[in-house]
Amino acid sequence: GAVVSQHPSWVICKSGTSVKIECRSLDFQATTMFWYRQFPKQSLMLMATSNEGSKATYEQGVEKDKFLINHASLTLSTLTVTSAHPEDSSFYICSAVTGGYSTDTQYFGPGTRLTVL
Amino acid sequence: QKEVEQNSGPLSVPEGAIASLNCTYSDRVSQSFFWYRQYSGKSPELIMSIYSNGDKEDGRFTAQLNKASQYVSLLIRDSQPSDSATYLCAVGPGPGRGDMRFGAGTRLTVKP
Repeated sequence: GAVVSQHPSWVICKSGTSVKIECRSLDFQATTMFWYRQFPKQSLMLMATSNEGSKATYEQGVEKDKFLINHASLTLSTLTVTSAHPEDSSFYICSAVTGGYSTDTQYFGPGTRLTVL
Repeated sequence: QKEVEQNSGPLSVPEGAIASLNCTYSDRVSQSFFWYRQYSGKSPELIMSIYSNGDKEDGRFTAQLNKASQYVSLLIRDSQPSDSATYLCAVGPGPGRGDMRFGAGTRLTVKP
């Protein structure tokens, strides 16, 4: 149980284009999902907390107009990187909690590797 | 001060030895603690969670928590080459204060 999927697993795009990444909880309902970014040899950096039916909460320094998050259902959250630039190239990972409380165990998706040319 | 600190490593142990990974945290009201393993190029996978002071064992893994010292550790017994990975310590804050914070990770290499 507690399986989280992400799609796509990798994507290459041109600078200035937008990329959408999907995060799905396959066997449970997730009222809260998290989006992380990880640069090579660095730890996970939380970007935003996604709550079903409400606006996402962004961490300080993360541009909400650039990283659009939509949590339209209890099993799906999407992250759209708008007008992507090479510095946005990174490993994007989502996670979901099985309970309704944010400190419940987080289960991670397999990640999406974004390369912006 | 970083919220969650880990020995940066790298840590190298011979096969069959005990690997000890340490983590300290700054928020005294933290209530949930997790160890994740991350292989290169992959996302983290949960190894252990611990919520109460003391030891929690699961197979070859033992998590130890000392809230008074704000310290949590992970022991890996009979280390195997397949245990070679980066281990992330994650700490959940107190009630209503948001989400988990991760340490920078400790790179472990188990040599055959």
